[in-house]
Amino acid sequence: DADVTQTPRNRITKTGKRIMLECSQTKGHDRMYWYRQDPGLGLRLIYYSFDVKDINKGEISDGYSVSRQAQAKFSLSLESAIPNQTALYFCATSDFGPTGYTFGSGTRLTVV
Amino acid sequence: DAKTTQPNSMESNEEEPVHLPCNHSTISGTDYIHWYRQLPSQGPEYVIHGLTSNVNNRMASLAIAEDRKSSTLILHRATLRDAAVYYCILRTDKLIFGTGTRLQVFP
Repeated sequence: DADVTQTPRNRITKTGKRIMLECSQTKGHDRMYWYRQDPGLGLRLIYYSFDVKDINKGEISDGYSVSRQAQAKFSLSLESAIPNQTALYFCATSDFGPTGYTFGSGTRLTVV
Repeated sequence: DAKTTQPNSMESNEEEPVHLPCNHSTISGTDYIHWYRQLPSQGPEYVIHGLTSNVNNRMASLAIAEDRKSSTLILHRATLRDAAVYYCILRTDKLIFGTGTRLQVFP
């Protein structure tokens, strides 16, 4: 099993629909993150959580919300999807301290 | 968050060493220098990180300038599988990505 699992891998949804992207990790880390990547660009941070009771906005949080259901689970919701939220979404986890992040394989979301 | 500057693209031939530069002139004393790479259609992959001293691991080496205002990721023998976008990031409490360097490796 992958250290960070994202579901679904691909999703097509209609404008205005609510959609949830899920992320789970088996690393036992407290910290989790959601990023989005647009074609040809780097990753931008949407939300991050340093423990179950901690939620922080990132660079581009408008239009998104998150829920940290447990240490291992961090979900991203689009309350009312719009076409410019079409992107590749990555979840990541890290331990406290300077160690590296572990990323999931991504969810490709298309809003039509 | 402190900013890094990397070339947009670099090229290498297979089995040759590759030196990927990164400038970070506004680095603070507590910023760790992280390198990640992203292969096509995959999530970023951690490569290496360091604070002041040069670092080696099975994937690469990281050379950090004495003033810490620049660093270089060294791939000792490039392979076709090393073709990716390489990101140099100053880690504080989170990773903020730039646009990275796209490395092409030719047979």
